Amino acid sequence: ETGVTQSPTHLIKTRGQQVTLRCSSQSGHNTVSWYQQALGQGPQFIFQYYREEENGRGNFPPRFSGLQFPNYSSELNVNALELDDSALYLCASSLDLGRPKEAFFGQGTRLTVV
Amino acid sequence: SQELEQSPQSLIVQEGKNLTINCTSSKTLYGLYWYKQKYGEGLIFLMMLQKGGEEKSHEKITAKLDEKKQQSSLHITASQPSHAGIYLCGADMDNYGQNFVFGPGTRLSVLP
Repeated sequence: ETGVTQSPTHLIKTRGQQVTLRCSSQSGHNTVSWYQQALGQGPQFIFQYYREEENGRGNFPPRFSGLQFPNYSSELNVNALELDDSALYLCASSLDLGRPKEAFFGQGTRLTVV
Repeated sequence: SQELEQSPQSLIVQEGKNLTINCTSSKTLYGLYWYKQKYGEGLIFLMMLQKGGEEKSHEKITAKLDEKKQQSSLHITASQPSHAGIYLCGADMDNYGQNFVFGPGTRLSVLP
C-alpha cells in the first residue's frame, strides 16, 4: 500500500460525456502528477500540480484539466470524452518537486469510453 | 517513434532462471528509473540510476546504466513467480525535470 488512493477504480462513460477522477495523496506530499496508460503501453504524462498550481503539462488537449486542493488531493477532469480516452489513469504523489520520479503511485482508475 | 524502447516486449522464463531486460534511449539520458507494475495496477518504484556505469541492486534485481550507449539493463537472478509483472523504464529527457517519459514496458511471466 502506497497511501495514494484513487477513485473510482473502474468507470464506464459514453462518448461526449465528462468525467472526474480523484486522487488522495500520500500524507505530506504536495506534488501530484497524472498519467494516462493505454493498454500495452507505458504511462504518458498528462500534467503535474505543485501546491495547487499546474507545474508542467504533457501533450494533452485542453479538455484534460486538473485541480489540486489545499489538502493536496487532486482531480483530473476530461470533457467531451473520446473512445481513445479509454485507458488506466494513474496519479502519483511526491514530496516536493525534487524527486517526482520516486513518487508513490495509486492503483489507478480504469476508464472505458463506449 | 518512442523515445525509450524496451526489449524484449515480453518474456516467459522458468522459475530459477536469470533474465535481462533492456531499455534504450534515442536521446541523452539525465536519469533512468525502473518500475514494476502488476497488470492494471499502479507502479512501484524499484531504483534510479544517474551516473554512467552506475549499478544498483535490490534483493535479486540489479540495474546498470551505460550512459555512452544510452542504455540500461535490469537483471533478475534466480527468478521467482513473485517477479512476474510489467517492468517499465522511465527517464528524464532533459536536465530540468520537465520531460519525463516511460518505455512501453516488458511483460515478464515466471513459470513455477
